[in-house]
Amino acid sequence: DVQMTQSPSSVSASVGDRVTITCRASQGISSWLAWFQQKPGKAPKLLIYDASSLQSGVPSRFSGSGSGTDFTLTISSLQPEDFATYYCQQSSSFPVTFGQGTRLEMK
Amino acid sequence: QVQLQESGPGLVKPSQTLSLTCTVSGGSITSGSYFWTWIRQPAGKGLEWIGRIYTSGDTNYNPSLKSRVTISVDTSKNQFSLRLSSVTAADTAVYYCARESVEMATHDYWGQGTLVTVSS
Repeated sequence: DVQMTQSPSSVSASVGDRVTITCRASQGISSWLAWFQQKPGKAPKLLIYDASSLQSGVPSRFSGSGSGTDFTLTISSLQPEDFATYYCQQSSSFPVTFGQGTRLEMK
Repeated sequence: QVQLQESGPGLVKPSQTLSLTCTVSGGSITSGSYFWTWIRQPAGKGLEWIGRIYTSGDTNYNPSLKSRVTISVDTSKNQFSLRLSSVTAADTAVYYCARESVEMATHDYWGQGTLVTVSS
C-alpha cells in the first residue's frame, strides 16, 4: 500500500494566517492526489483534486501543489470556517489510501 | 445535485454480517463515469477505503478486507450495497458511501455517514 504521511499532525493558527500542510507519499503517485476538509460529525468535503485543481465552489484561498511524492495544501488567509481536519488521499494505486489527518485549531 | 444516503442497522453482533445500502438521488447511478464507493472511519481516527463498484458490476476491494467484503449494485433502485462478514469490534466505525468521479479520480459526493457499532 502507498503510505501517506501528513505534517504537522496538528497546527494552531489565527484568522488571517497563511497555513501550509504537507503530504508525502511512500512512492511516486504522479498527481493522483486529493485534499479533503472534515468538520466534526460531517463527511469529508473535497477541496482539491489532481494535486492542484480546485473543486467547484471551493474558495480560492485554498490551493494545492506538488507531484511525485511531495504535496502541499495552502490556505492563504484563514477564515473562521476553515478550522477543521484536513486529509490527503492518493488514488494512484489500490488500495486508495489517506493521510492520518492534520487538525487545524484556533490559536 | 447528487445526494447519497446510507441506511442499515446501527448495531451488529460480533461474527455476524454488516449490511448497508446507499441510495443515490438527484441522478441515475448509471449515468456518467463514476465508481460507487464505501469508506469508513473509526471514532477519532482516519479514513479507510473499503472498496468500490462500477455499474457494470466490476469491483475493487481493499486487500485488508477483501475476504470479508462484497459490494453490489441495484441499478433499478439506484442503490449500491456493502456486506462485511464476520465482524468484530474493530469494524465499529462511521461508514460513508461516496461517488468517485473517473475524471477527477476522487470522491466528489459523500453521504452523511452512518455509525455501525459491533457489540453483543
